[in-house]
Amino acid sequence: AQSVTQPDIHITVSEGASLELRCNYSYGATPYLFWYVQSPGQGLQLLLKYFSGDTLVQGIKGFEAEFKRSQSSFNLRKPSVHWSDAAEYFCAVGARGNKLVFGAGTILRVKS
Amino acid sequence: KAGVTQTPRYLIKTRGQQVTLSCSPISGHRSVSWYQQTPGQGLQFLFEYFSETQRNKGNFPGRFSGRQFSNSRSEMNVSTLELGDSALYLCASSLVGQKTDTQYFGPGTRLTVL
Repeated sequence: AQSVTQPDIHITVSEGASLELRCNYSYGATPYLFWYVQSPGQGLQLLLKYFSGDTLVQGIKGFEAEFKRSQSSFNLRKPSVHWSDAAEYFCAVGARGNKLVFGAGTILRVKS
Repeated sequence: KAGVTQTPRYLIKTRGQQVTLSCSPISGHRSVSWYQQTPGQGLQFLFEYFSETQRNKGNFPGRFSGRQFSNSRSEMNVSTLELGDSALYLCASSLVGQKTDTQYFGPGTRLTVL
């Protein structure tokens, strides 16, 4: 069965510092991978997605993610974090049909 | 284009009651999926509707049901509410529900069961 693991429940970074959020997936075939962000009281917003091709994917708000098949990972990165990036981040893999299987999420706190 | 809208945004019910939540997808989108989000279980897929037919279903009891109308609007119903049904219910729409379609999420309906 498909699954997604986000090892870090909470991460705190200083404003202006770089960020990496980890995501590992389990999926038998070529995975469809996504990163979503959720601000308090809001729905989910898609940051980026990977289907095939270039393993480094660019997304919105300056985020990027790198797909590494050998490590079953799809880590999210941002070179310089802004206070407005504080939110909860979810990695997801596309399962049967267009069902998404989500990780447990990582809460990002940004300190000034 | 207007985004995905969900009504109501907040709802308080008591155990044993039933509830209906509504989702209006982005114009032109024909696939609507529902997810339940709780602190303990995280985000879990409930079901997906396309062209008024349930196309995919998650592992939830039969108390959870849904439907889709000809204009692609969708409703989900939970009967005989239990305390554990307290959650944020998110609706997502996409063009035709292919894996490669981007799913756009609504703000959710926060259901509290007392």
